[in-house]
Amino acid sequence: KNEVEQSPQNLTAQEGEFITINCSYSVGISALHWLQQHPGGGIVSLFMLSSGKKKHGRLIATINIQEKHSSLHITASHPRDSAVYICAVRPDGGATNKLIFGTGTLLAVQP
Amino acid sequence: GAGVSQSPSNKVTEKGKDVELRCDPISGHTALYWYRQSLGQGLEFLIYFQGNSAPDKSGLPSDRFSAERTGGSVSTLTIQRTQQEDSAVYLCASRTTSGLKYTGELFFGEGSRLTVL
Repeated sequence: KNEVEQSPQNLTAQEGEFITINCSYSVGISALHWLQQHPGGGIVSLFMLSSGKKKHGRLIATINIQEKHSSLHITASHPRDSAVYICAVRPDGGATNKLIFGTGTLLAVQP
Repeated sequence: GAGVSQSPSNKVTEKGKDVELRCDPISGHTALYWYRQSLGQGLEFLIYFQGNSAPDKSGLPSDRFSAERTGGSVSTLTIQRTQQEDSAVYLCASRTTSGLKYTGELFFGEGSRLTVL
């Protein structure tokens, strides 16, 4: 079982729909990242969370540390939101600084 | 530019050849990471630099892989005697680790796509 699980793996939505992508993890963490990877391969960091909720434009990310769960929400989705969304966690403690990545959620927003 | 710069963007090589991939992080970013993304796979950690030292190189898949960082800036990932399974996109990321501008946010380069024939 992966230490970081995302759901769904694939998601197709109609333009304007509210979208939720979920991330569950099994290790103690110091931070969680949401990343966006476009078809060309470039990766953009959307959020880094250690608690609570963050909002940037139409994107909202929440995290529940006790439940080891985070969600990424996209309001009023648009075709340009089509991308792979990746959840990554930074394990707590130890000398390592590496991230553990989920396998990503492929989102397609249709006009 | 102001972002993380990687070169080459594409590299096709023959099995057994050595390759070098370069990462130029954002100026002032002390932490630098190398990741690998094989076709259809998730991102895989390779190595982490803090300044010029590499406190975590646990992700390097074999002793054919090595990386160095000089001057706390540019990093080079070297793959010796390349194999077909080394074909992947190699991504570099950097971030600050302290100071007024610290956000913890990672900034990724566009990646170097390596194809080993």
